[in-house]
Amino acid sequence: DGGITQSPKYLFRKEGQNVTLSCEQNLNHDAMYWYRQDPGQGLRLIYYSQIVNDFQKGDIAEGYSVSREKKESFPLTVTSAQKNPTAFYLCASSLTELYSNQPQHFGDGTRLSIL
Amino acid sequence: AQSVTQLDSHVSVSEGTPVLLRCNYSSSYSPSLFWYVQHPNKGLQLLLKYTSAATLVKGINGFEAEFKKSETSFHLTKPSAHMSDAAEYFCVVSVRIYNQGGKLIFGQGTELSVKP
Repeated sequence: DGGITQSPKYLFRKEGQNVTLSCEQNLNHDAMYWYRQDPGQGLRLIYYSQIVNDFQKGDIAEGYSVSREKKESFPLTVTSAQKNPTAFYLCASSLTELYSNQPQHFGDGTRLSIL
Repeated sequence: AQSVTQLDSHVSVSEGTPVLLRCNYSSSYSPSLFWYVQHPNKGLQLLLKYTSAATLVKGINGFEAEFKKSETSFHLTKPSAHMSDAAEYFCVVSVRIYNQGGKLIFGQGTELSVKP
């Protein structure tokens, strides 16, 4: 079955620590995305990648970093510079980002909390 | 500027009664519109999408939505609610940004409760 796998499901971060959230897809999609979800605020775009070795900042990129070394993988690092990292993080992919009618497919999320 | 507004943050219905979740959008161009559903601690699942074909769009699990350009609305309906429909629903508009492809703009979400 094709899909998006996010791990871990729950993650705890200590003060001053960087943590990395994993996202893997086997849908052969070119485009991948990271969103942050806070209660009552919908989803906000952190970073996105249209193709391997390329990525762009979304609306709330400060304190986050990403890489896209392989088509299947788009890990997100939450750095110590992100002062309010507690949230539900969702990874998504779409066949291509070139057209606006492409739906996105979502993983089941990682819930990050501060210790 | 493109935006999407879900008019109700919470809707409560009884099992077997109709569901109406309201969404208005603002877009400079002919938009693509989506409804997604999210169950607790899960990702978002696509219910249906509108991409300038038929204005009445049928989705999964008995849901449908009607695109009304004159009212800039894309309301989600279901004739008879089931307990398993209890979840959060997101109305989403996709916009095309020059040289950047398509971007999704999410509404704030509507939480649907279904009473026995």
